[in-house]
Amino acid sequence: QKEVEQDPGPLSVPEGAIVSLNCTYSNSAFQYFMWYRQYSRKGPELLMYTYSSGNKEDGRFTAQVDKSSKYISLFIRDSQPSDSATYLCAMSAGGSQGNLIFGKGTKLSVKP
Amino acid sequence: DAGVTQSPTHLIKTRGQQVTLRCSPISGHKSVSWYQQVLGQGPQFIFQYYEKEERGRGNFPDRFSARQFPNYSSELNVNALLLGDSALYLCASSPVVRADTQYFGPGTRLTVL
Repeated sequence: QKEVEQDPGPLSVPEGAIVSLNCTYSNSAFQYFMWYRQYSRKGPELLMYTYSSGNKEDGRFTAQVDKSSKYISLFIRDSQPSDSATYLCAMSAGGSQGNLIFGKGTKLSVKP
Repeated sequence: DAGVTQSPTHLIKTRGQQVTLRCSPISGHKSVSWYQQVLGQGPQFIFQYYEKEERGRGNFPDRFSARQFPNYSSELNVNALLLGDSALYLCASSPVVRADTQYFGPGTRLTVL
């Protein structure tokens, strides 16, 4: 079993839809949870960061962490064609361990 | 402010050769991490350096090595290249050794023929 599981998709939605992206993990030591957006042939861009459990909202984006279920989510409201990209979840135990463990990424396409 | 910069952008090598990739972190950032991203996969951690010292190493063979310079820039070296080393090599910088504030560069795309 991989430490972080993420459905690679692809996921195709119409413009304006609510998008739900999810990851599960097995390592209970993970404390830091990130979502990155990666456009084709570019480096990942940090979208959201959450420490431990709870929700965090930033504009059209909401990140949720449920440590009891080892499950994290990213919601995108009012999706736009410019949101079309690959979304990567990443996690870390933190402390002196600064390395990130990534999921495979979910490829999202928002159709006009 | 400039973001993380990496050079070269693209590189084509043949099996058995050696390659050096370079990274300049965001100004003021003292930690640099290297990741390998194979097509269709998420990035995999290779190394992390902070204040010129290695602070972490992923599950990669000894053919991979890195170093950090006094100006906090970094180099990743890969010896005896294999076809499987073809990937996007990403550099990430952060102010300190922390997981939540890693900012990635555009990457170097390495193709091994």
